[in-house]
Amino acid sequence: NAGVTQTPKFQVLKTGQSMTLQCAQDMNHNSMYWYRQDPGMGLRLIYYSASEGTTDKGEVPNGYNVSRLNKREFSLRLESAAPSQTSVYFCASSDRSGFYSTIYFGEGSWLTVV
Amino acid sequence: QKEVEQDPGPLSVPEGAIVSLNCTYSNSAFQYFMWYRQYSRKGPELLMYTYSSGNKEDGRFTAQVDKSSKYISLFIRDSQPSDSATYLCAMRSEGAAGNKLTFGGGTRVLVKP
Repeated sequence: NAGVTQTPKFQVLKTGQSMTLQCAQDMNHNSMYWYRQDPGMGLRLIYYSASEGTTDKGEVPNGYNVSRLNKREFSLRLESAAPSQTSVYFCASSDRSGFYSTIYFGEGSWLTVV
Repeated sequence: QKEVEQDPGPLSVPEGAIVSLNCTYSNSAFQYFMWYRQYSRKGPELLMYTYSSGNKEDGRFTAQVDKSSKYISLFIRDSQPSDSATYLCAMRSEGAAGNKLTFGGGTRVLVKP
């Protein structure tokens, strides 16, 4: 039962460097999300993809780009990392159908920008 | 002001006590209410799910929703050290694009043996 898998788990970047966080889900879910979690701020939505082929901005999209590569995979790219992007990043997925449709999370990626 | 407010804690209780957690929210369109549990250095996992107002019980856990007061609660009976975690409330409106959730900041709970 892999669920939502994200890589890498830990990464240290220098200011200005770029990197991509990878995410894949094996639950055949239509919707996928990227959240960041900061102390005292809770989980904030960066971008989401309601279905394959679509992406939309969430609450805090600045400095990020995303790609919904196919139904399984949704990547998050930092083009020019800044210290303010030091955070824990969670990928998640959801099946839009069903009354009790909700969101399932990956294990998280700890990113430090120095 | 945040749409969903949650006391960050930490909330420390002795083993066997009742843990009481709550969230307040401002968006009257929220209809679906969830509680997630997050252990240290792990992703959140769904604990309870309720729709609209009312109570829901699942083992030692009871979730309550009072839409008139825009207030939701989670009670944990007979708390165990394994319940030590951060508890996040989350909610969404009917037909929210992509089933987007709005989260509270989380309450850290520590159950002492």
